[in-house]
Amino acid sequence: KNEVEQSPQNLTAQEGEFITINCSYSVGISALHWLQQHPGGGIVSLFMLSSGKKKHGRLIATINIQEKHSSLHITASHPRDSAVYICAVTPGGSQGNLIFGKGTKLSVKP
Amino acid sequence: DGGITQSPKYLFRKEGQNVTLSCEQNLNHDAMYWYRQDPGQGLRLIYYSQIVNDFQKGDIAEGYSVSREKKESFPLTVTSAQKNPTAFYLCASSETLGINQPQHFGDGTRLSIL
Repeated sequence: KNEVEQSPQNLTAQEGEFITINCSYSVGISALHWLQQHPGGGIVSLFMLSSGKKKHGRLIATINIQEKHSSLHITASHPRDSAVYICAVTPGGSQGNLIFGKGTKLSVKP
Repeated sequence: DGGITQSPKYLFRKEGQNVTLSCEQNLNHDAMYWYRQDPGQGLRLIYYSQIVNDFQKGDIAEGYSVSREKKESFPLTVTSAQKNPTAFYLCASSETLGINQPQHFGDGTRLSIL
């Protein structure tokens, strides 16, 4: 069993829809990261959080430490949001190395 | 513009050859990392470096080597001992090696075997 599980694996949405991507993890963590990988392969860090909720523009990330679960929400989705979204965790006691989920491929249709 | 530059974007290797992937950063970061990405799998850590002249093996270091002679540079050599080198390779950096440090990623190098 992977230590970081994401769902769904693939997601297709219509422009304007509200999108939720889920991440569950099985280890104690110091922080959780949400990353965006563009079709060309480059990766951008979206959020790093250890509790509660963070918001940046149309993106919202939440985490429930007790349930070992995080969600990434995209409001008013747009075709430019099409990308692979990756959840990663920093295990507690580690030096900062990350454990990555396999990613969720999002396609937003106009 | 500060960032991480990986080159080349595409690289081809013949069987039995070593090949070196370049990673340069101008963010003045101490820590640098190399990851490998295979289809349908999460990124896996190959090597990381906390500071100049220091580096540590990650989860899948066999068949790879690195050097960190300068703060801004962390080249990865894929040796002939790596039996399945075809993959997408990502370099990253963070200000320091620590639990609350976001990592900044390059655009990656795609390596293929001829």
